[in-house]
Amino acid sequence: AQSVTQPDIHITVSEGASLELRCNYSYGATPYLFWYVQSPGQGLQLLLKYFSGDTLVQGIKGFEAEFKRSQSSFNLRKPSVHWSDAAEYFCAVGAEGQNFVFGPGTRLSVLP
Amino acid sequence: DSGVTQTPKHLITATGQRVTLRCSPRSGDLSVYWYQQSLDQGLQFLIQYYNGEERAKGNILERFSAQQFPDLHSELNLSSLELGDSALYFCASSVEGRGRAFFGQGTRLTVV
Repeated sequence: AQSVTQPDIHITVSEGASLELRCNYSYGATPYLFWYVQSPGQGLQLLLKYFSGDTLVQGIKGFEAEFKRSQSSFNLRKPSVHWSDAAEYFCAVGAEGQNFVFGPGTRLSVLP
Repeated sequence: DSGVTQTPKHLITATGQRVTLRCSPRSGDLSVYWYQQSLDQGLQFLIQYYNGEERAKGNILERFSAQQFPDLHSELNLSSLELGDSALYFCASSVEGRGRAFFGQGTRLTVV
């Protein structure tokens, strides 16, 4: 069965601290992997994606993610969080000819 | 701006009523997806259309239906509305129905 888990429902970090959001997946085909961010009152925005090649992917807003096939993980990281990063983050998995499976999301709060 | 347009942005209606949500995909995108996001269930895939035909169906209730028109815009019809249908409904589009998808801002439906 296809599934995406984001074990952390809500994470709170201080501004300037580092961040890692976890994503694990179960997917039959070779997956495409995505991270989306949803800011309050706004639609989803693509942060980064992995299709193939270098397993460390750079995205927008200073985010990066590392694909680890052996762990079926695609964790999102940022070295220094800004207050504007407070949002809901969704990990998603897809494959050619198939649909996306979204994780339940992780809410990020940033303390001043 | 993702290029995907959803209307209306907000909709408040009574139980038992019927509403239609509209989505205009990005220019050139043939595939349209509909998602429902509620607080307790996260993001749920509803249905996908590709070039006018239904391609995949997810957790879509029988009270809900959708279609994609020759100009590729799509409508999601929700009938016999219940309080639990209150949610944010997202539309996304992609070129070929796989890989990267672009999301609209969503329609917030409130059933009272």
